[in-house]
Formats: sequence, C-alpha cells, structure tokens
Amino acid sequence: AQTVTQSQPEMSVQEAETVTLSCTYDTSESNYYLFWYKQPPSRQMILVIRQEAYKQQNATENRFSVNFQKAAKSFSLKISDSQLGDTAMYFCAFMKLKLTGTASKLTFGTGTRLQVTL
Amino acid sequence: DAGVIQSPRHEVTEMGQEVTLRCKPISGHDYLFWYRQTMMRGLELLIYFNNNVPIDDSGMPEDRFSAKMPNASFSTLKIQPSEPRDSAVYFCASSLVGTVGEQYFGPGTRLTVT
Repeated sequence: AQTVTQSQPEMSVQEAETVTLSCTYDTSESNYYLFWYKQPPSRQMILVIRQEAYKQQNATENRFSVNFQKAAKSFSLKISDSQLGDTAMYFCAFMKLKLTGTASKLTFGTGTRLQVTL
Repeated sequence: DAGVIQSPRHEVTEMGQEVTLRCKPISGHDYLFWYRQTMMRGLELLIYFNNNVPIDDSGMPEDRFSAKMPNASFSTLKIQPSEPRDSAVYFCASSLVGTVGEQYFGPGTRLTVT
C-alpha cells in the first residue's frame, strides 16, 4: 500500500514571497503519478500540478513548480510570488498506474494549510 | 462545461435515516470516483467506476454504504441506515482515461447526521 506524508500542518508566507511545501511518499511501484491539489475555503478541490514518475524533469505551471526526487521519494511544491488567492489547504497525492496504463485511485496526504498574508 | 455536479450541497439527517448523494460527472468522462473527507481520516477513496462498472470498492466502510452508476451521466452514493460517524464531506470526481490523474472534483456534499 502507498502512503503519503505531509509533515507541515500549517505554513504562512507573505505576499510576493516564495514558499515550499513538503511531501514524501512510500511505494514499491515503479509507474506512478504525483499531484498537488489545492482546496480553498470554497471546498472545491483543484489540480495544481502533476508529475509523471518516469520523467526526470520537474513539472512547472506558471508560479507553481515541483522538486521531484524519486530516489528520496520526495515531492515538494514551490509557490513563487505568493498571492492572497493561494491561501488554501494543499494536498499531495499519489496514483499508481495500472499495467494497462490507466488510472487508479488517488491516495492523499493529510494536507498543509497555507496562509498568505499581506 | 458545468463541471462535476453534486446534490445536495448540504444534507442534515437523523441517525437511522437513509441518505442518497447524487453526482453528475463531466460529459464524456469515463471514470467516476467517490471520496470522503473528515478531519480524522482526511480524504479517502470510497469507490470508483470505469465505464459505469465498479472497479475498486475496497474503501467502502461497511454494508451500510452502496454506490451505483446506472449510466454514464449519473451516480449515487447511498447510506442506509446513517450514523453520526458518517458525518463528512463527500466528493465526487470524474476523469478521462487519456488524462491520467486529472480528476475534476465536484463541490462536495456536506453531510451531518445527528
């Protein structure tokens, strides 16, 4: 079974600054995906960024980027130029790929609550 | 596209009553997932379907929970009888086979069982 650990329950960052959220995972699988989801106060879960395990290059999406260290089983999220709208719970998630290459379930970490302040 | 639609958004019921949560996935998506979110257990998968067929229901807590997907555009999650420990936010999500992992979540149903 896979486990996802987020060791930072809460974090705070000032507007325009950079913050890094940590995530580690444990798996014996070789084919998998990793994700960061954002849950703002509205409760809606929103995909922030995705990383395929077979890709060495770290994924980036505008102000969001990841540091994927496969050997260390680490997957951190960096938010640059933080904005007030980034205030939310952030969940790291793992999905193994089936042999057919199709989707399976997401396993989530416990989340990190990020507060962006003025 | 309207996104994933869930109803009701809020449900308050008494212990022992039957509760039915509804979900309409994004048109064309062939995967549908039901998740439950609580403070104690976080986000956990209950069941998921592929092309209306249940693939993994290992997360369904017990026989009081059942889920159906009679067609590609509708799914239900039923709890009968409901108990206070079922109080949680229930999310439905859908995805397309060609976009692995990009699950689109509905707004959730907040269930309170008194």
